[in-house]
Amino acid sequence: DAGVTQSPTHLIKTRGQQVTLRCSPKSGHDTVSWYQQALGQGPQFIFQYYEEEERQRGNFPDRFSGHQFPNYSSELNVNALLLGDSALYLCASSLRTVGNTIYFGEGSWLTVV
Amino acid sequence: AQSVAQPEDQVNVAEGNPLTVKCTYSVSGNPYLFWYVQYPNRGLQFLLKYITGDNLVKGSYGFEAEFNKSQTSFHLKKPSALVSDSALYFCAVRDKGLDSSYKLIFGSGTRLLVRP
Repeated sequence: DAGVTQSPTHLIKTRGQQVTLRCSPKSGHDTVSWYQQALGQGPQFIFQYYEEEERQRGNFPDRFSGHQFPNYSSELNVNALLLGDSALYLCASSLRTVGNTIYFGEGSWLTVV
Repeated sequence: AQSVAQPEDQVNVAEGNPLTVKCTYSVSGNPYLFWYVQYPNRGLQFLLKYITGDNLVKGSYGFEAEFNKSQTSFHLKKPSALVSDSALYFCAVRDKGLDSSYKLIFGSGTRLLVRP
């Protein structure tokens, strides 16, 4: 049973560029969330997708957008990259039912130069 | 607003000794609490969770956590530390959204260093 898978694992982008990160949830999970973890900090919630709609959003600008596909996989898009966007981006999946465990992928390391 | 605090940036312990990583919480309503571990350059691995029931929760890799409502704490413990337990540990609390969706709010993390 595959867990949460993310791609790419590492990437380097230039300021002002756009990036797309991808995530496949754990088998049977219907809800995907994205978190940003800056160096030395705890993960910060970006947004959550369920039934292909954004259900909840954290304190992130509109440059951060996402999508969920019918097979529950998800993408995170970041436009007009800033140096401060350099971080580990974590995808998390779960079942929507309250109390279910949220499982995380290995993350995508984004470096903006 | 829901929040958790991890008062120690780093915990040092000798291999074979018991370890405790501290977490306190502030929530409205019943707390749903989680512990995750992060090894270098890796994602988060789930250790255990408290939803309801017994105050002592057992999890993966021999870890357990004690929920204390009066002290609003959820400390992570292990009776005998291993060098391989050295990692970054995060406490988290569930925060429920308006449409019953929920997210995790994390503490700042505690680095555990187990020396041989």
